[in-house]
Amino acid sequence: TQLLEQSPQFLSIQEGENLTVYCNSSSVFSSLQWYRQEPGEGPVLLVTVVTGGEVKKLKRLTFQFGDARKDSSLHITAAQPGDTGLYLCAGAAVNAGNMLTFGGGTRLMVKP
Amino acid sequence: DAGVTQSPTHLIKTRGQHVTLRCSPISGHKSVSWYQQVLGQGPQFIFQYYEKEERGRGNFPDRFSARQFPNYSSELNVNALLLGDSALYLCASSLVVVARSYQETQYFGPGTRLLVL
Repeated sequence: TQLLEQSPQFLSIQEGENLTVYCNSSSVFSSLQWYRQEPGEGPVLLVTVVTGGEVKKLKRLTFQFGDARKDSSLHITAAQPGDTGLYLCAGAAVNAGNMLTFGGGTRLMVKP
Repeated sequence: DAGVTQSPTHLIKTRGQHVTLRCSPISGHKSVSWYQQVLGQGPQFIFQYYEKEERGRGNFPDRFSARQFPNYSSELNVNALLLGDSALYLCASSLVVVARSYQETQYFGPGTRLLVL
């Protein structure tokens, strides 16, 4: 059974602060996705990382895939209230097609 | 273009009842996956279907079943409902399942929120 440990579970910060969310596993993943989920809605894909050591930037969000493809991080610079939501990492196991293993999520609140 | 649609949006059932949830994938997508998201947790994989065949099954009891129709829409059925089945049930579609080592982007619907009393 593959597990993804996501930390922290909850994060409450002030507008303008930086934050990092971590996603760790003992298993190797062929790719890792980060999603954001609003209340009452399904997860929306932010980014997919597939190469060990890969770094992708999406405006103020920076995503990194570990060299061994077992872990990932999401860094948000100068957080804004609009960044509030549930952030989920999800890994696709090697030789498992589209089946995703999700982390437990990080609930972020950015206060103005 | 319409995204993934799911029906109903909300549902209330009592223990022991049966429920059918429906999902229509994005036009042109041939693969559908189902996930269960209990409040406060991340989604858990239930089933994956591609070209009307089951391609993967998560660690769920036999009370859970699914199928995919020729138009690629899908149904998730849950029998003998338990209180613990209360959750948001998410459907995700993807274009194809080309090879087991290939990961195709999945697009999620808004989910069906099931409450079992």
